[in-house]
Amino acid sequence: DAKTTQPPSMDCAEGRAANLPCNHSTISGNEYVYWYRQIHSQGPQYIIHGLKNNETNEMASLIITEDRKSSTLILPHATLRDTAVYYCIVRAYYGGATNKLIFGTGTLLAVQP
Amino acid sequence: GAVVSQHPSRVICKSGTSVKIECRSLDFQATTMFWYRQFPKQSLMLMATSNEGSKATYEQGVEKDKFLINHASLTLSTLTVTSAHPEDSSFYICSASRGEGFQETQYFGPGTRLLVL
Repeated sequence: DAKTTQPPSMDCAEGRAANLPCNHSTISGNEYVYWYRQIHSQGPQYIIHGLKNNETNEMASLIITEDRKSSTLILPHATLRDTAVYYCIVRAYYGGATNKLIFGTGTLLAVQP
Repeated sequence: GAVVSQHPSRVICKSGTSVKIECRSLDFQATTMFWYRQFPKQSLMLMATSNEGSKATYEQGVEKDKFLINHASLTLSTLTVTSAHPEDSSFYICSASRGEGFQETQYFGPGTRLLVL
C-alpha cells in the first residue's frame, strides 16, 4: 500500500474550517483514500473515503487532486470536540483478509477556543 | 454508523495469566475483523486479521501462540493474550469490516486497556 505524509500537528480556531492535508504521491489506480480520527483514549472513528471524486458527508468533505497525489480533509466548522489525531490512509481493495488499514503517525489537530 | 463493541474496556491482571478480549459487531455481520495494539503516544499497529471460520493471519513479528485469535461467528472475534507479561500492557483495539467494493469500511471498537502487573 502507498505511504502517506501528513503534518504532525495543526491548530484551528473554533468555528473556522479545518483543512488537513495529506500527500500520497505513490498512490496506485486501485487505491482509495480513507480518513479516520482518534480522540484521546478511544478507538478510531471513520470519517470519509474516496477514490478520485470529491466526497462529502455529514462530518467532512474530502478533496482529492486530479492527479490523486494529494488530498485535503475539510471540517467546515471545527469545534473543540474535533480535537483528535487525524489519519490519512491509502488502501487498495483486494477483498477479504487483505483489505487491511495501515496507520501512519497522523496529524494532531488542536481546536482552540 | 456501524457499532462495534469490546469487552472488557479495561483489565488488570497478574503476570503469567491469560486475558481474553471480545470484539462484537452489534448491528452487522463481519467476515473479517482486525486486531490492533497501541502503545502510549504511538500509532495503531496491526497485529492480525481475523477471518470467520478460518485461521487468523498475523503480521510479521506478532507471535501467534501468544496472541490467540478466534473468529467463532460473523459477529464475534476474541483475542487471548496468553501468559501475559508487563510488556504486553497496551491499548488493544479491534475493527470489523462492513460492506463491499467502494462501500467497504472498517469500524472500530472503543478499545481495551490492558495492564499487566
